[in-house]
Amino acid sequence: NAGVTQTPKFRVLKTGQSMTLLCAQDMNHEYMYWYRQDPGMGLRLIHYSVGEGTTAKGEVPDGYNVSRLKKQNFLLGLESAAPSQTSVYFCASSYTGTYGYTFGSGTRLTVV
Amino acid sequence: EDKVVQSPLSLVVHEGDTVTLNCSYEVTNFRSLLWYKQEKKAPTFLFMLTSSGIEKKSGRLSSILDKKELFSILNITATQTGDSAVYLCAVAGGAGNNRKLIWGLGTSLAVNP
Repeated sequence: NAGVTQTPKFRVLKTGQSMTLLCAQDMNHEYMYWYRQDPGMGLRLIHYSVGEGTTAKGEVPDGYNVSRLKKQNFLLGLESAAPSQTSVYFCASSYTGTYGYTFGSGTRLTVV
Repeated sequence: EDKVVQSPLSLVVHEGDTVTLNCSYEVTNFRSLLWYKQEKKAPTFLFMLTSSGIEKKSGRLSSILDKKELFSILNITATQTGDSAVYLCAVAGGAGNNRKLIWGLGTSLAVNP
């Protein structure tokens, strides 16, 4: 029972490079989320999805794009990475959206 | 604006102590309050509370919600070094029909041997 799987676990990018973080869940959850977590800032919502083919902006969406082409996958893209995007990124999924999330193990991204 | 405030921000105790962590909230359309434990990796679910005055318990951890005063507490008795973690509080609710959680900044607990 894999739950929520994030890839990659670690990545170092140069400023201006692009990359995609993949989140996959095998629990048939409708809701999926991308968060970033920074010291002193807590968990901040980047984008989320309430079902296949839908996406919506969270608190800090600038510089990121997402896609949910399949129900089980939620992709987070950085088109032109900036040092301010150095963070730990967590994906989460939920069946109802309000009764508890299952988190992936996180991606530690460093932009130099 | 919806918000969740946790206190204290950090806490250092000795093994065997009892600790109480606080979470207060101002969130429209409250649905539930959740507690998570985060060690070096992803947050893991502890409790979900929806009704006032009903204690949820798991081993040495317990939690209760007061919907009148808009707060919850998480108690840990007979603390162990393995309890060292950041404890996160989140509230499901908010304006509109959005299914999101509003997160506190967490309480960092260090349990010394």
